[in-house]
Amino acid sequence: KQEVTQIPAALSVPEGENLVLNCSFTDSAIYNLQWFRQDPGKGLTSLLLIQSSQREQTSGRLNASLDKSSGRSTLYIAASQPGDSATYLCAVGSGAAGNKLTFGGGTRVLVKP
Amino acid sequence: EPEVTQTPSHQVTQMGQEVILRCVPISNHLYFYWYRQILGQKVEFLVSFYNNEISEKSEIFDDQFSVERPDGSNFTLKIRSTKLEDSAMYFCASSDQGFNEQYFGPGTRLTVT
Repeated sequence: KQEVTQIPAALSVPEGENLVLNCSFTDSAIYNLQWFRQDPGKGLTSLLLIQSSQREQTSGRLNASLDKSSGRSTLYIAASQPGDSATYLCAVGSGAAGNKLTFGGGTRVLVKP
Repeated sequence: EPEVTQTPSHQVTQMGQEVILRCVPISNHLYFYWYRQILGQKVEFLVSFYNNEISEKSEIFDDQFSVERPDGSNFTLKIRSTKLEDSAMYFCASSDQGFNEQYFGPGTRLTVT
């Protein structure tokens, strides 16, 4: 059974510092990995999708890497801003159809001005 | 920008009652999903739906649950006889292809009393 872990559970950084968020998964037979942002009481906003054949994906200040063999992904957020404060979730796609997402517990990020 | 919408935003019901949660996926998407998040816990996969049938379901998705695409735009989740432990935020998601990015709606908070 796929298990997804995100460490640390919470992170506080001063504005301008780079953020590094970690995600690990137990079963390397994945189709893709998706990073989301969740604001309190809100839905999930998709940030990046990395297909299993890719090593990296970039969008603006965000960069996500994937090492399938070691079961790890890292999300980098450059030059953090107070508006980046949120919970960041990673989810791996697996299952018979490849689109069953298994989520980690999230990393709650606070960027202090 | 196209988005997934869900109604109602909050539903309160009594134990044993039936509820129907509604979703309008992004219009050109073909794959539809339901997830739930119990307060303080991880987001959990419930079911995926493609070509008018369930493609995968989790062990949570027992006989009390059903999904339907009653017309060309709506996608519904029915819980036949609600239990206290069904209280959660229910998220609908959609994707254009099976392995592609899933886009989530804002969620319906279901409270069972």
